[in-house]
Amino acid sequence: GENVEQHPSTLSVQEGDSAVIKCTYSDSASNYFPWYKQELGKRPQLIIDIRSNVGEKKDQRIAVTLNKTAKHFSLHITETQPEDSAVYFCAASPRRRGTDKLIFGTGTRLQVFP
Amino acid sequence: DVKVTQSSRYLVKRTGEKVFLECVQDMDHENMFWYRQDPGLGLRLIYFSYDVKMKEKGDIPEGYSVSREKKERFSLILESASTNQTSMYLCASSINQPQHFGDGTRLSIL
Repeated sequence: GENVEQHPSTLSVQEGDSAVIKCTYSDSASNYFPWYKQELGKRPQLIIDIRSNVGEKKDQRIAVTLNKTAKHFSLHITETQPEDSAVYFCAASPRRRGTDKLIFGTGTRLQVFP
Repeated sequence: DVKVTQSSRYLVKRTGEKVFLECVQDMDHENMFWYRQDPGLGLRLIYFSYDVKMKEKGDIPEGYSVSREKKERFSLILESASTNQTSMYLCASSINQPQHFGDGTRLSIL
């Protein structure tokens, strides 16, 4: 069935270092890939997304890359700051169109130490 | 700005009770979703709706039902609550992506 795998489950970095989170998806027809950040006790919030006609997208310190052939996409955070500490979820839109359905990964807990 | 409102942040119920979780969005979104969030398991889809009175099962629909009588409101129903339904429940809505989430309801079944 449709599946999204996310790695690592936890990630600890020093402030200023880079962090990379990777996801793979199973449905080759998926065409939309968002990333959500969830701070402790808060709602998941969209931080960046990419569609399948684009290979890379950047927004300040955050970038997402997509490799459709290999069916994987990654989140890159540069110059990490303590406020980047949160749980990050990747997701992919499965084959079913017209419903905005998403399949989520299991999340990565990122800790940035000062 | 999109606003998705869940009726309760915290809820405590007893086993066997019928439980209603309500979600309202104010952006005329066609799609609405109910997820449960458990540590290490991510966000798992329970049910979703792509139009009024239309609903589809997600990955874990057992023990749940939903209702969408009006476009702005999507209700999740636990027909007979059990302790394994203790969890964080998140509602989301969208039109042509992305999904926007509510603050969640932390439900405890005793």
